Amino acid sequence: AQSVAQPEDQVNVAEGNPLTVKCTYSVSGNPYLFWYVQYPNRGLQFLLKYITGDNLVKGSYGFEAEFNKSQTSFHLKKPSALVSDSALYFCAVRDFNYGQNFVFGPGTRLSVLP
Amino acid sequence: EAGVAQSPRYKIIEKRQSVAFWCNPISGHATLYWYQQILGQGPKLLIQFQNNGVVDDSQLPKDRFSAERLKGVDSTLKIQPAKLEDSAVYLCASSLVPGVYNEQFFGPGTRLTVL
Repeated sequence: AQSVAQPEDQVNVAEGNPLTVKCTYSVSGNPYLFWYVQYPNRGLQFLLKYITGDNLVKGSYGFEAEFNKSQTSFHLKKPSALVSDSALYFCAVRDFNYGQNFVFGPGTRLSVLP
Repeated sequence: EAGVAQSPRYKIIEKRQSVAFWCNPISGHATLYWYQQILGQGPKLLIQFQNNGVVDDSQLPKDRFSAERLKGVDSTLKIQPAKLEDSAVYLCASSLVPGVYNEQFFGPGTRLTVL
């Protein structure tokens, strides 16, 4: 079965500093990995995805993520955090062997301090 | 392009009452999903439609939950009777076509409180 872990409930970072939100996954086949962001009282917004190819994926709002197959990780990164990046971030995985359904991680709350 | 619409945004009911949520996906999106997001957790898929047919409802508590998408466009999710543990945000999402490569587009959700 597929699963996703986000080991940190909360990440605090100062504005202008680089940020990392961690994600590890477990699948039986090839993973398809996604990051979503959720602002208060709003639905999830797609940030980026890894399907195949280059391990470094660039997405919306300056975010990027690095796929590491040996460590089964897909950490979300941004070189310089903004206060407006403060939100809840979800990592999700799909396993081709298990159909199309997303399995979401529990979420990591990012707080960017001015 | 208009996003996924959901209503109501908030609902408070007593346990054992019934409740219904409505979703209108992005125009032209064939695939529609309903998720349950309990506070502090990631969304969990309840049911997936492809046009007006059910693709996956393996995690839908069918003794109390039902969903339909009669004309292959908008959809309704119903809970009858509600339990305290049904308190959650119910998210609707859609995608143009199914497939593991495709991202889903989410609505703002309906926050249900069961007292």
